[in-house]
Amino acid sequence: GDSVTQMEGPVTLSEEAFLTINCTYTATGYPSLFWYVQYPGEGLQLLLKATKADDKGSNKGFEATYRKETTSFHLEKGSVQVSDSAVYFCALSDDKIIFGKGTRLHILP
Amino acid sequence: NAGVTQTPKFQVLKTGQSMTLQCAQDMNHEYMSWYRQDPGMGLRLIHYSVGAGITDQGEVPNGYNVSRSTTEDFPLRLLSAAPSQTSVYFCASSYRDRGYGYTFGSGTRLTVV
Repeated sequence: GDSVTQMEGPVTLSEEAFLTINCTYTATGYPSLFWYVQYPGEGLQLLLKATKADDKGSNKGFEATYRKETTSFHLEKGSVQVSDSAVYFCALSDDKIIFGKGTRLHILP
Repeated sequence: NAGVTQTPKFQVLKTGQSMTLQCAQDMNHEYMSWYRQDPGMGLRLIHYSVGAGITDQGEVPNGYNVSRSTTEDFPLRLLSAAPSQTSVYFCASSYRDRGYGYTFGSGTRLTVV
């Protein structure tokens, strides 16, 4: 079945560092891909998405590119802030959405 | 618009009790899903629905029932609560377009003692 694998955390970075969170997927069809973010005590919020190969999703300085050849959708940000500390989930969507296990990100001031 | 509304926000149950977690959305979304979130396990799909009258099992359906009599509501029933069902439960909804993305409720934190 479909699945999503993302790098385990926690990931700890200093403010203004470059961020990469790896995500790879397995799917039989042509899913849409997503990154969600969860702040403490809250539900998940959609961060960005891409619906077809080579699409780039972007939001709030975060980017991810749908790479069909490597079945990947890595999340990047050029300069992280303390406020980016959260749990990040990679996901794919067919008629239901499948999530990775999440990566906790800590940003130190 | 309220989005996805889950009630209650917190609940403590005794082993063997039953209860219903409520989920309602006002966005006319066709798809609705229930997830549980446990430490280190990410989100696991319990049940989902692609429209009124249609439901299907997800990854961890045992001990839970759902029904979808209207587009707006998708309640989750715990038949006989067990400590293993202690978790945070999230309801989510989306349009049929698989590229749209899901909107999540704020969650129900359930403790079974």
